[in-house]
Amino acid sequence: EPEVTQTPSHQVTQMGQEVILRCVPISNHLYFYWYRQILGQKVEFLVSFYNNEISEKSEIFDDQFSVERPDGSNFTLKIRSTKLEDSAMYFCASKWTGDSNQPQHFGDGTRLSIL
Amino acid sequence: AQSVTQPDIHITVSEGASLELRCNYSYGATPYLFWYVQSPGQGLQLLLKYFSGDTLVQGIKGFEAEFKRSQSSFNLRKPSVHWSDAAEYFCAVGGGGGFKTIFGAGTRLFVKA
Repeated sequence: EPEVTQTPSHQVTQMGQEVILRCVPISNHLYFYWYRQILGQKVEFLVSFYNNEISEKSEIFDDQFSVERPDGSNFTLKIRSTKLEDSAMYFCASKWTGDSNQPQHFGDGTRLSIL
Repeated sequence: AQSVTQPDIHITVSEGASLELRCNYSYGATPYLFWYVQSPGQGLQLLLKYFSGDTLVQGIKGFEAEFKRSQSSFNLRKPSVHWSDAAEYFCAVGGGGGFKTIFGAGTRLFVKA
């Protein structure tokens, strides 16, 4: 079964540095998402992306964050100047269409540790 | 406002006993409901989903859930728990189209021998 893949599985970065988290959604999917899960807390929505633009973003997704689909396969989340509180598990998800009968498929996540 | 409430932060069940994890939602339109399981350090695995039709849905690993519109609930059940079921369980609600998924805070399941 096709999967959403995320790299790296674990990223350690110094505070203030830029970090890019990478995701390869399922190939025929059109909707893309990033979620965040701080250790021990719930999974929180960050941003959704469709037709090469952001369709919705949460209040967490401030100017430090950006998303991009640089080619036909990758979907990236960039954090421009990381803070300690950005340490979390970041999940990418994708969905085939706007058809309500299709759930989002999640990757295994990237654990981001800010030192 | 859209929200999902999982009243139990953690639950301990004996192996072989039955399990019910509670979930209540608040959603302005027709809800699409999901249960995900997450093992420590792992990703989110979809257990089951409800969109319409039969209110009792079957999922993987022997889990089922029942949608009760009058109670705004979508409780997860399993008749006999196995030690490998120990994990974090998240109830979630999503709208149609490309709308985001909203997660509950999760219930951590402990299984004792």
